[in-house]
Amino acid sequence: SQQGEEDPQALSIQEGENATMNCSYKTSINNLQWYRQNSGRGLVHLILIRSNEREKHSGRLRVTLDTSKKSSSLLITASRAADTASYFCATDPTGTASKLTFGTGTRLQVTL
Amino acid sequence: GAGVSQSPSNKVTEKGKDVELRCDPISGHTALYWYRQRLGQGLEFLIYFQGNSAPDKSGLPSDRFSAERTGESVSTLTIQRTQQEDSAVYLCASSLSGAVKYEQYFGPGTRLTVT
Repeated sequence: SQQGEEDPQALSIQEGENATMNCSYKTSINNLQWYRQNSGRGLVHLILIRSNEREKHSGRLRVTLDTSKKSSSLLITASRAADTASYFCATDPTGTASKLTFGTGTRLQVTL
Repeated sequence: GAGVSQSPSNKVTEKGKDVELRCDPISGHTALYWYRQRLGQGLEFLIYFQGNSAPDKSGLPSDRFSAERTGESVSTLTIQRTQQEDSAVYLCASSLSGAVKYEQYFGPGTRLTVT
């Protein structure tokens, strides 16, 4: 089964609104990463948060991590049509330094 | 500089045939990964190469799947006797190190359709 599961599966918002996506995982992790996938640019790394960090920012992105609840959230502020994509969380479970386990993704649609 | 490249971009094959997919990682990246992504799904780890170490093959779904890597460059993923359930996009990624604290850079993928 998937280590990470994103919620919601699909999200539709208007340009300028904020979008929040959540990720839950099952085992302890070293770090958690968020990736974006769209037809134009393929799969692109957005941000990495380590297990000892609680919050991280990058431009319009804000990621939080709660290891006690085994969950993370990705907030995109002031969304743009170009943010339309699928967003995946990927975890690096402890003891498996070689591979990421991806969730099933949230499909975000930003309309004008 | 050049990113990760994969070829072919699309492959249609008949059930039972063998296929070979190619990945050219970013120069200097020692780690290389193969993933499979079925329609509407997340990424499924297949195999990982790190330098000259033995590859981590724990994600390969069956013995019909194999992969090789030449040094720290090109990798090929081979699927023998293809089945319809093998239809998916196969993604390759590379990173500076096998430690996943380094972000992975993905290629555009090969879309495989088995008829």
